Formats: sequence, structure tokens, C-alpha cells
Amino acid sequence: EAQVTQNPRYLITVTGKKLTVTCSQNMNHEYMSWYRQDPGLGLRQIYYSMNVEVTDKGDVPEGYKVSRKEKRNFPLILESPSPNQTSLYFCAAGREHQETQYFGPGTRLLVL
Amino acid sequence: AQKITQTQPGMFVQEKEAVTLDCTYDTSDPSYGLFWYKQPSSGEMIFLIYQGSYDQQNATEGRYSLNFQKARKSANLVISASQLGDSAMYFCAMRERDSGTYKYIFGTGTRLKVLA
Repeated sequence: EAQVTQNPRYLITVTGKKLTVTCSQNMNHEYMSWYRQDPGLGLRQIYYSMNVEVTDKGDVPEGYKVSRKEKRNFPLILESPSPNQTSLYFCAAGREHQETQYFGPGTRLLVL
Repeated sequence: AQKITQTQPGMFVQEKEAVTLDCTYDTSDPSYGLFWYKQPSSGEMIFLIYQGSYDQQNATEGRYSLNFQKARKSANLVISASQLGDSAMYFCAMRERDSGTYKYIFGTGTRLKVLA
């Protein structure tokens, strides 16, 4: 079954405490991406990766880091989280010209 | 300028009736893709339908169809015979090429409520 997994699903943390949200896919897709969803703003792309060791900034990359050392994994790193990073985060995987991306279940992050 | 515009923050429709959710887009990439996703209250993103920029026919998937008007840069979603389970947030999205890579841009969404 085609699957994108994210962990953790829910996270409450404090300002400045580094955290990592993992994302893994079992479809051997080249393209992976992170989004944040905020009320009234829809989904905004944070970072994306066309392949291993290739990452690019999306529309809202400030305060985030990513890495793509393996094709299946694309972790999102918040080195020093701030309350304005409280959001719902989605990881997705897909192929160019494919008819959709596959989304993970989402991670709800609260930064106090 | 917004690349994806959904002008209807919320809509109501009577059960069993059809409803159209509006989406307009803007891109200079000739080879783009357009998508609609459904997000129920449980939060997951569910793919509904896809339209490629070169597709001649409007895409259809069951009760969903995409009214693609390329000259008007419009990609409206039509849901026929609405069901209570269609109550959700709906997002229009576009995939476009950007300097050798490609990006996805989402609209702000339309919240649909189906009335019994």
C-alpha cells in the first residue's frame, strides 16, 4: 500500500527546543515536500526535494531545515522553534507528471 | 499576485444538488497541472481530481468533474448529487515548473457544508 508516514502526529514543545518531524515514503518517489497549513492561508510549501541531496526552498522556509540523505526519508527540522511555527504540517511524496502527490497524515505542532 | 485564487471561503448546498467550487490560477509555465483536494474534519488530504494543461477533455472522477477553461485560467470543481459526507474543506492546487524544478501552490480553500 502506497504510504507516507509522519512522526510524531502531535507535538507540544517550548520555544527554542530543537525538534525533528520525520517523514518516510514507501513508493520510491523522487519528489518530496513539506507544507504548513494555517487557517485562512491554505497550505504553503516550506521545502521540497527533487531527489537525494537536492533540496529547494518553498514559499515559507524561514526557521526550517530539511535533509534528503535517502530517497525514502525527508525530515523537517526546527532548530529553534517559535510560537509562530505552531501549525499543521504535511509531508507529501510524488513524481513529476504524476496525477497527484500522496500526503502523510499530518503533524500538529504547538510551540509554547 | 495570487497564483491560485479561491474566492468562496464557505458555501452551503442542499443534499443531492450539484455545487461548483471556484478556482482561478495564474502561471507562465505552459506545462502545469491542476488538482483538487478534500480535507474532512479529521484532517487528512484526499486527492480528488487532476487536470493537465494539455488535456483536451475536462477531467471526471465519479461525482467530481473539473470545469477547465484554459483561456479564462479557471479550474472549477463540480460536485454532482452532493452527499452529507462531502462536507469538508476543498483546496485547489497547481503544480508549475520553476527554474528546473517544480512547485505546488495551494489556494486558501473553500469550506463546503452539505445540508440535509
